[in-house]
Amino acid sequence: QSALTQPASVSGSPGQSITISCTGTSSDVGGYNYVSWYQQHPGKAPKLMIYEVSNRPSGVSNRFSGSKSGNTASLTISGLQAEDEADYYCSSYTSSSTLWVFGGGTKLTVL
Amino acid sequence: EVQLVESGGGLVQPGGSLRLSCAASGFTFSSYEMNWVRQAPGKGLEWVSYISSSGSTIYYADSVKGRFTISRDNAKNSLYLQMNSLRAEDTAVYYCARETPGEPGDYWGQGTLVTVSS
Repeated sequence: QSALTQPASVSGSPGQSITISCTGTSSDVGGYNYVSWYQQHPGKAPKLMIYEVSNRPSGVSNRFSGSKSGNTASLTISGLQAEDEADYYCSSYTSSSTLWVFGGGTKLTVL
Repeated sequence: EVQLVESGGGLVQPGGSLRLSCAASGFTFSSYEMNWVRQAPGKGLEWVSYISSSGSTIYYADSVKGRFTISRDNAKNSLYLQMNSLRAEDTAVYYCARETPGEPGDYWGQGTLVTVSS
């Protein structure tokens, strides 16, 4: 069982918006603004999409945005495109002996 | 261009050992903290180990503590993971990742597959 809870799957049609949630505790998501999101296509390495809750690295489309409320962080993808179909993972710093924790991953299907 | 290239994976019997390497280029390796993250087949990401830029501070996941050893050679721009007493549940793709404040990896290698099986 992963430390952070994500829905197993979400789907949307091209052009629509979707939101993926990531629920933790006050020891990780709720306690620090160190939540990041990764996109992973099959057979590829994870790619950083969002860091520190809501910041986008250079080169990442502004269709990707992040937010946090309490112990739950969210990734929103607007204007869905076929290339967005992938697995998405959230990550957070944690005060436990485990330095970083990940969510179980969410498979995004673009219908 | 930042590049991280893992090597050293392969098939090993339960109880065996393996040493993974990660060659870094395109940035000042000695200035960055590094992580190993693994992904079992068809499963999610799992953080394995962290090492500070100087190598003086190290952390491990409970699942590998006492069996795995992380190290680095800043003169060779290389990161290592010595894995001993391997178990079937250690089977995974192992990624090295460059840590920056706020997240465990802004750049990741392509991964190296470790299979523990008899």
